[in-house]
Amino acid sequence: DSGVTQTPKHLITATGQRVTLRCSPRSGDLSVYWYQQSLDQGLQFLIQYYNGEERAKGNILERFSAQQFPDLHSELNLSSLELGDSALYFCASSDRVSNQPQHFGDGTRLSIL
Amino acid sequence: AQTVTQSQPEMSVQEAETVTLSCTYDTSESDYYLFWYKQPPSRQMILVIRQEAYKQQNATENRFSVNFQKAAKSFSLKISDSQLGDAAMYFCAYRRAGYALNFGKGTSLLVTP
Repeated sequence: DSGVTQTPKHLITATGQRVTLRCSPRSGDLSVYWYQQSLDQGLQFLIQYYNGEERAKGNILERFSAQQFPDLHSELNLSSLELGDSALYFCASSDRVSNQPQHFGDGTRLSIL
Repeated sequence: AQTVTQSQPEMSVQEAETVTLSCTYDTSESDYYLFWYKQPPSRQMILVIRQEAYKQQNATENRFSVNFQKAAKSFSLKISDSQLGDAAMYFCAYRRAGYALNFGKGTSLLVTP
């Protein structure tokens, strides 16, 4: 058990819809990272938060947004969903910005019909 | 931009034998970290081993060890005494201090009895 909790585990929705994925980091971890794993793009970094503030952006679409709340949990919002957004979305956390390894949640499987 | 290359899409090993998975990376940074993550069919991302670039000594975790060649920008994973439970996708990842992970495309490892 990594200590990182992601909900829901599975999500099925239709094109054009909006969904919210939730992540609770390990106790004490201030950094949260979101990754997308798809068949064609592999594992890609989307966005990072550190103690409530956005720290870095990767290949995140404008239709996607995220935030980290005062209790350090994070939410990834995906809107105007397209078929190509179907993927496994991982959240990872680490306790400091620097060199600590990231521990991953079990992911949310998003299927767009 | 940093890139991580895993040139072996698939590898096969017999139980109790040794296998080496290859990884090369490209960076102009001097302070970075390298990781191997395992993703079994359950799709969890499990940290196998990590290496700090400033350390010359190769990291070892039980049956897993790395061969880190900094000048050649090579970071291979050796699995000794392979077990059926080692069957999984293995991802090599690079990380600058404080930044997100940059993953290779993965190597699928098959372990045969």
